[in-house]
Amino acid sequence: DAGVIQSPRHEVTEMGQEVTLRCKPISGHDYLFWYRQTMMRGLELLIYFNNNVPIDDSGMPEDRFSAKMPNASFSTLKIQPSEPRDSAVYFCASSYRTKNTGELFFGEGSRLTVL
Amino acid sequence: EDKVVQSPLSLVVHEGDTVTLNCSYEVTNFRSLLWYKQEKKAPTFLFMLTSSGIEKKSGRLSSILDKKELFSILNITATQTGDSAIYLCAVELPNAGNMLTFGGGTRLMVKP
Repeated sequence: DAGVIQSPRHEVTEMGQEVTLRCKPISGHDYLFWYRQTMMRGLELLIYFNNNVPIDDSGMPEDRFSAKMPNASFSTLKIQPSEPRDSAVYFCASSYRTKNTGELFFGEGSRLTVL
Repeated sequence: EDKVVQSPLSLVVHEGDTVTLNCSYEVTNFRSLLWYKQEKKAPTFLFMLTSSGIEKKSGRLSSILDKKELFSILNITATQTGDSAIYLCAVELPNAGNMLTFGGGTRLMVKP
């Protein structure tokens, strides 16, 4: 399996622009997570899905952030409008709950810089 | 609020040294504790601990959990430059899928 695939790997944009980050989880995994990592705050959970349904979005910082999972093989995280404080590495991760290992498989991240 | 705290924040050692990384948690109820290693990119899984007092070992790395005192340690013996990374501790909450709450990490640098 190719693992969790994220795109773009790097994104530089200007304040006020819309940003869309994409994620393809590992085939067969039933949980998908979006995390954000910064030096100041470490890895923070933004939202997670189970079988394409959002379960907990309490970590989404503001209404400017939204996430969707239209099918089992694709998810997006959108920021509109973007602000400089959104600059971070955004990780998508997936897992297979039934295996009961607790292990998350992370993508390589999307590094976002908002100028 | 559930919290995971790691110490030290950063550590610089020389090759061959042994290091101990700490993770304490304030979680009312948890399912498991996991350790990840993050080099330049994505965190990669090291260990999952569910029971107190049982050591998990993989090569030069080992880890143990103390549920009574609410902490875990990760030991690395005979460190190598390739061990340089951020080590992340995370707690898995019950009834929340595999949702993990991460600590801030310990940045380890191993000098030749």
